[in-house]
Amino acid sequence: DAKTTQPNSMESNEEEPVHLPCNHSTISGTDYIHWYRQLPSQGPEYVIHGLTSNVNNRMASLAIAEDRKSSTLILHRATLRDAAVYYCILRPQGGSEKLVFGKGTKLTVNP
Amino acid sequence: KAGVTQTPRYLIKTRGQQVTLSCSPISGHRSVSWYQQTPGQGLQFLFEYFSETQRNKGNFPGRFSGRQFSNSRSEMNVSTLELGDSALYLCASSLSQISQGAQFFGPGTRLTVL
Repeated sequence: DAKTTQPNSMESNEEEPVHLPCNHSTISGTDYIHWYRQLPSQGPEYVIHGLTSNVNNRMASLAIAEDRKSSTLILHRATLRDAAVYYCILRPQGGSEKLVFGKGTKLTVNP
Repeated sequence: KAGVTQTPRYLIKTRGQQVTLSCSPISGHRSVSWYQQTPGQGLQFLFEYFSETQRNKGNFPGRFSGRQFSNSRSEMNVSTLELGDSALYLCASSLSQISQGAQFFGPGTRLTVL
C-alpha cells in the first residue's frame, strides 16, 4: 500500500482559507488521491479525489503537484464545522474498495 | 435517500463471548466494507464484500468474519472476544461500479469488551 505523510495537526481561524498538505512520494501512475474527513463522533466522510488535474467541488479544492508527489486540500473558508481529522489516501485504479487510512491531520478551527 | 445504518450503536460484551454487528448500505449500493477504529491503531480495513462475495480481507485473525446477503446488507462477527477488540466498528458502502467512487460510512458500532 502506497504511503502518505501528513502533519499531525493544523490550526486555522474561522472564515480563513486552510491548506492541508499531503506527501506521497512513492505514488504510482495509476493511484488516485482521495481525501476523507472524520468529524468528532462520526464516521469518515468523502471530501474529494483526483488523479492529475486540480479538482473542485462544493466542499473543497484539491491541488495536485505536477510530479504528483504531493497534493494539497484547500478549504476556501473554514467554518467551525470543518474541525475534523483529514485523511489523504492513495487508491489504486480498479478492483478493491479498500481504503488505507494513515493518522491524518487534526484540524482545529478557532472562532 | 437514507444513509448507511449500523446496529446496534453500542454494545458491551465480556471476554470470550461472540458478537454480531449489522450494516445496511445505501439503497442500490452493492459494495460493503468494514473497518475497525481504535485510538492506538487508527482506522484499519477488515474486509470488503461485493455481491455476497468477499473481495478483500485485511490483516485480522480468523475470529473476525463477515458475510453479505442478497439484499447487500452485511454482518460481521467476532468470536472469542478479547479486551483488544474494544473499538469503533465502521461500515462503508459504495456503488463499486463507478471507478474511484466515494464510500459512504455509517456512524459505527461502539463495542466495549470487559
